Amino acid sequence: DAGVTQSPTHLIKTRGQQVTLRCSPKSGHDTVSWYQQALGQGPQFIFQYYEEEERQRGNFPDRFSGHQFPNYSSELNVNALLLGDSALYLCASSGWTSGALVATDTQYFGPGTRLTVL
Amino acid sequence: DAKTTQPTSMDCAEGRAANLPCNHSTISGNEYVYWYRQIHSQGPQYIIHGLKNNETNEMASLIITEDRKSSTLILPHATLRDTAVYYCIVRVAAGTASKLTFGTGTRLQVTL
Repeated sequence: DAGVTQSPTHLIKTRGQQVTLRCSPKSGHDTVSWYQQALGQGPQFIFQYYEEEERQRGNFPDRFSGHQFPNYSSELNVNALLLGDSALYLCASSGWTSGALVATDTQYFGPGTRLTVL
Repeated sequence: DAKTTQPTSMDCAEGRAANLPCNHSTISGNEYVYWYRQIHSQGPQYIIHGLKNNETNEMASLIITEDRKSSTLILPHATLRDTAVYYCIVRVAAGTASKLTFGTGTRLQVTL
């Protein structure tokens, strides 16, 4: 059973360019969340996609946008790149699993895409 | 989501149990305690989660106090490969679009 996969592994862009990162969720999962992790910090939530719609969004500007496809895979797009966008971008997928009392949607992370903006 | 407090760093000798504490005094009744770890430059790895009962899986044990205001993650026999940053996170149960809010975590160093 393949876990969460992300592509590319590494990416180098220059300021002002646009970038697209891709994520394939774990088999059986229908929800994808994106996080940004700057060097030395914990991951920060960008947004979450479910049923091809953005369901929740963190404190990130509109330059950050996403998409979810019918097969549940997802893309993260960042426009007008800034030096401060250099970070590890993480994708996490989740789906419903039944527990003893309530269902919980544990998020499983991919290996990340390392974006460097020069 | 409730905030958590963890020590910045801890050391543990290989083969010994590693006990990582977490305070979450403002946790709500519908919030779970989750633990993840992140080995350098890799994606966070899910370890375990619980609501109010102690939990154990193949990786670790989670002990939650009766008042749910704190918890301890136990790695029973730490190895060098357990060296990582460990994050304690509280989040609402499923049914809402619940993000994970990461703090700074505990940097666990396992030594020979």
